[in-house]
Amino acid sequence: GENVEQHPSTLSVQEGDSAVIKCTYSDSASNYFPWYKQELGKRPQLIIDIRSNVGEKKDQRIAVTLNKTAKHFSLHITETQPEDSAVYFCALQTGYSTLTFGKGTMLLVSP
Amino acid sequence: DAGITQSPRHKVTETGTPVTLRCHQTENHRYMYWYRQDPGHGLRLIHYSYGVKDTDKGEVSDGYSVSRSKTEDFLLTLESATSSQTSVYFCAISEASGRRYIQYFGAGTRLSVL
Repeated sequence: GENVEQHPSTLSVQEGDSAVIKCTYSDSASNYFPWYKQELGKRPQLIIDIRSNVGEKKDQRIAVTLNKTAKHFSLHITETQPEDSAVYFCALQTGYSTLTFGKGTMLLVSP
Repeated sequence: DAGITQSPRHKVTETGTPVTLRCHQTENHRYMYWYRQDPGHGLRLIHYSYGVKDTDKGEVSDGYSVSRSKTEDFLLTLESATSSQTSVYFCAISEASGRRYIQYFGAGTRLSVL
């Protein structure tokens, strides 16, 4: 099946810095790319998504970029805050309604 | 929470016993999913359903079966639990938005197989 490589697996930044998480994939037919945030002990929650006909999407301090030619997409968080600390998962739509997830990135924002 | 309820929230069982986890939704969603989450593996799809009595296998379906006899309930059964099935199990539903299928997750069930 489709494989999604997510890097880095852990990321430590200082409050106010930017954080970037990158995912690469192989299936050129993938057309939907969501990002989920999971706080400790909680459920994964959708924070932003992008479709293949869009190169970039922004929502306040978070943005997602997509390079379909190179088959990678990235999550960008600016002005990080301690409450951004969580595990972030990229995913892509495979098949009609199923998602394949990356293995996750643990982001730690230190005050 | 997209009207998703998982039960039980926590369960401890012994190797070889059958276990059934329940996912209940109140908003008539067609698509439902079961995932397991393990450290270092992210979320892996076990089975999913695209309607009453319509189910299909995911990436890690061995040792699991599912049933969906009515729209609101999607059951995951471990016929004979093994220690390798110790995990956190998440149910999800998806809502169609254009050509996107946005998935929303339940609160999870933490299962320990001793």
